[in-house]
Formats: sequence, structure tokens, C-alpha cells
Amino acid sequence: DAKTTQPTSMDCAEGRAANLPCNHSTISGNEYVYWYRQIHSQGPQYIIHGLKNNETNEMASLIITEDRKSSTLILPHATLRDTAVYYCIVRLNTGNQFYFGTGTSLTVIP
Amino acid sequence: DVKVTQSSRYLVKRTGEKVFLECVQDMDHENMFWYRQDPGLGLRLIYFSYDVKMKEKGDIPEGYSVSREKKERFSLILESASTNQTSMYLCAHSWRGTEAFFGQGTRLTVV
Repeated sequence: DAKTTQPTSMDCAEGRAANLPCNHSTISGNEYVYWYRQIHSQGPQYIIHGLKNNETNEMASLIITEDRKSSTLILPHATLRDTAVYYCIVRLNTGNQFYFGTGTSLTVIP
Repeated sequence: DVKVTQSSRYLVKRTGEKVFLECVQDMDHENMFWYRQDPGLGLRLIYFSYDVKMKEKGDIPEGYSVSREKKERFSLILESASTNQTSMYLCAHSWRGTEAFFGQGTRLTVV
């Protein structure tokens, strides 16, 4: 079952940074934080994942708090194409299942 | 490019019919998954498979079964379709410990 809590919806102005929070207060020491997004009528797309260090790739940055109980996905310069539902997932890296919650619906406003 | 092929994008079936949803991956991945997605409920895991002929129940297996006879193919079976199984069905695959890759989904309507 989903072990994360995310806001239902958020807005962000085009060109500004979008900061999407996620609470995972029951995360265990060997569970990773994964982020996916789903654009309307498509399957979910992998964005980034991390264990305890901050991570950055060409799509986004992931900031994980020191106690690992929460994280923030940062889209540095949001565009209209970033409008999507964003899912935060915790998962054992040796495990198989991905459990999705209901995610955050991000709307990028022109 | 990673490819996950789901047999149909849209499907309409009658109540009581046996329905097969097929998923094929070309990455030789061990793990394959079936999810359904409904408004307000997010993605819910139905079944997953971690090897050929191996399967485990997810959160909502009732009314579904699965088959994995070959590594690249994972089938979801609705033995007797009902209207409450109208939904978007998503297949995914992954290596153990890596990100999952999703297909485009099959929108099933049971009438």
C-alpha cells in the first residue's frame, strides 16, 4: 500500500521553479524515493530516484531531508508540458512492487 | 528506446465475457506488473510477476488472474468481465531494483 502523502494539486507559473513535496514518515533505511509523472492519457514516466543524497538529472532535482521523512521534487524552469500528475513512491531497491498513491496534479500556468 | 506494447489502446467488452489483456516487453526484464487506474483512486496494483510462471497478488487481485508463460509476455485475464472492471489498465516492467517502464494503457469498457 502507498506509504507517501502528497498535496492533491498545485499551480506553478511558467518559467518558475515547481517544488513538489512528499511526506514519507515511515520510510525505512533501505527504501528509495522514486518520482514518476503521468501526462494525460499516457502511461507514467520515470523522473528520478534517490536514497539519502540529493540527486539531479536532466529532468529534475530531488531533495531528501536528513531524516529522510520527506522529499521535494524540483522542476527548475516549469513549462506548459510539465502539466501532469506527479507521483512519489517509496520502494526497496531489491523489491519488486511499485505502490502508487493519488499523486499531485501540477498545473503550469502561462 | 524501451518498448512496452499493450495489445489494444481501447477495448469494449460485454458483461460476462472472458477478456485477455496482453503486454509484451523487449528488455528481457524479470519483473512485470498490471495496474488499473480510476479517477480519484490513482494507480492500484493488481498483480505482478517476478519470473516466468511466478506471480504475486497486489492490492486488488479479486476478479483477475494472470499468466506469464514467457519472460517477455504478461497477460491479465478477466474471467467474467463486470461493469466495475471498466477502467484504464496499465502494464509495466523493470529489472529488480530499477525504475519501471510503463505502456500507454488499455482503456477497457465493459457494457
